[in-house]
Amino acid sequence: AQSVAQPEDQVNVAEGNPLTVKCTYSVSGNPYLFWYVQYPNRGLQFLLKYITGDNLVKGSYGFEAEFNKSQTSFHLKKPSALVSDSALYFCAVRDRGAGFQKLVFGTGTRLLVSP
Amino acid sequence: EAGVTQFPSHSVIEKGQTVTLRCDPISGHDNLYWYRRVMGKEIKFLLHFVKESKQDESGMPNNRFLAERTGGTYSTLKVQPAELEDSGVYFCASSPYTTGELFFGEGSRLTVL
Repeated sequence: AQSVAQPEDQVNVAEGNPLTVKCTYSVSGNPYLFWYVQYPNRGLQFLLKYITGDNLVKGSYGFEAEFNKSQTSFHLKKPSALVSDSALYFCAVRDRGAGFQKLVFGTGTRLLVSP
Repeated sequence: EAGVTQFPSHSVIEKGQTVTLRCDPISGHDNLYWYRRVMGKEIKFLLHFVKESKQDESGMPNNRFLAERTGGTYSTLKVQPAELEDSGVYFCASSPYTTGELFFGEGSRLTVL
């Protein structure tokens, strides 16, 4: 069965510092990997995805994520955090099987960027 | 273009009552999904429609939950009778393709007292 682990409930970082939000996954085969963000009182917004190719994926708002197959990780990163990045971040995985495959989410990590 | 819209944004009901959540997907998106997040937990899949047909409802918790998508447009998710453990945020998402990116609504927060 597929699963996603986000080991940190909350990540605190000062504005201007680099940030990392961790994600590891367990799935058979090669998955599609996603990051979504939920700002306060908003829905889930797509940030980026890994399908194939370059292990470093760039997404919205300056975020990027690195796919590491050997470590089964897909950590979200940003070189310089903004206060406005404070939100709830979800990592998700989907199998590559034919037809519909469920998107399986982690428990979420709250990012708090202090001024 | 309008995104996925959900109504109500927040519903507070007593245990044993009925609640109906509504989702309007992005126009033209045949695929519609319901997910749920119980406080502090992961976002869990409930079910998937393609047009008006249920493709996968393996995530529906029990028979107190009924989802419909008449005419393949908007969808409703009814909880009857509601229990305390049903409290959470119910997300709807849509996509044009089965393997495509999902576009989520803002969610409907359900509080059962």
